[in-house]
Amino acid sequence: DGGITQSPKYLFRKEGQNVTLSCEQNLNHDAMYWYRQDPGQGLRLIYYSQIVNDFQKGDIAEGYSVSREKKESFPLTVTSAQKNPTAFYLCASSRERGSIYEQYFGPGTRLTVT
Amino acid sequence: LAKTTQPISMDSYEGQEVNITCSHNNIATNDYITWYQQFPSQGPRFIIQGYKTKVTNEVASLFIPADRKSSTLSLPRVSLSDTAVYYCLVGGYNNNDMRFGAGTRLTVKP
Repeated sequence: DGGITQSPKYLFRKEGQNVTLSCEQNLNHDAMYWYRQDPGQGLRLIYYSQIVNDFQKGDIAEGYSVSREKKESFPLTVTSAQKNPTAFYLCASSRERGSIYEQYFGPGTRLTVT
Repeated sequence: LAKTTQPISMDSYEGQEVNITCSHNNIATNDYITWYQQFPSQGPRFIIQGYKTKVTNEVASLFIPADRKSSTLSLPRVSLSDTAVYYCLVGGYNNNDMRFGAGTRLTVKP
């Protein structure tokens, strides 16, 4: 059963701590993305990766970091430098980079930092 | 980069046809138009994609005029379960424009 998994579904952290969100896909897709969504807002692109060991900043990369050591995995670290980390985080993948390719989204991780 | 504009919200009643329009005045020659649907606390899911004229699948139709500066997503006979946010995305191959925008919040009433 192919798809994207994100874990955990809910995550709570204290301010000043780094936290890593997991994203795994078994769709054999080259491109992967991380988005942030705030209440009542659209999706904003944080980082994307076109291929293993390569990733690019999106519109709101400050305070975040990623790695792409395996094709299947694209973890996102929310660092203490991110000023407002509380949000809903969505991971997606597509066959290749570009909005012409259908993106498959994971179920999301809701991060709360207090 | 193609910027999109959609209505913030729309209301409808069960059984009606709903048309959501997206404006994209600076669409490029190689850009396609893609629509996604998002339910609360879930990731968006692909609905339909087109380049010009009309595209139809089992859930929706997409109408694109000749100048391609706008597009209209048509949902036939909506039900309560169609209550969601609908996003219009414009882009093509190997581009960097993955901006979903705020979308259109559709509320279907009984």
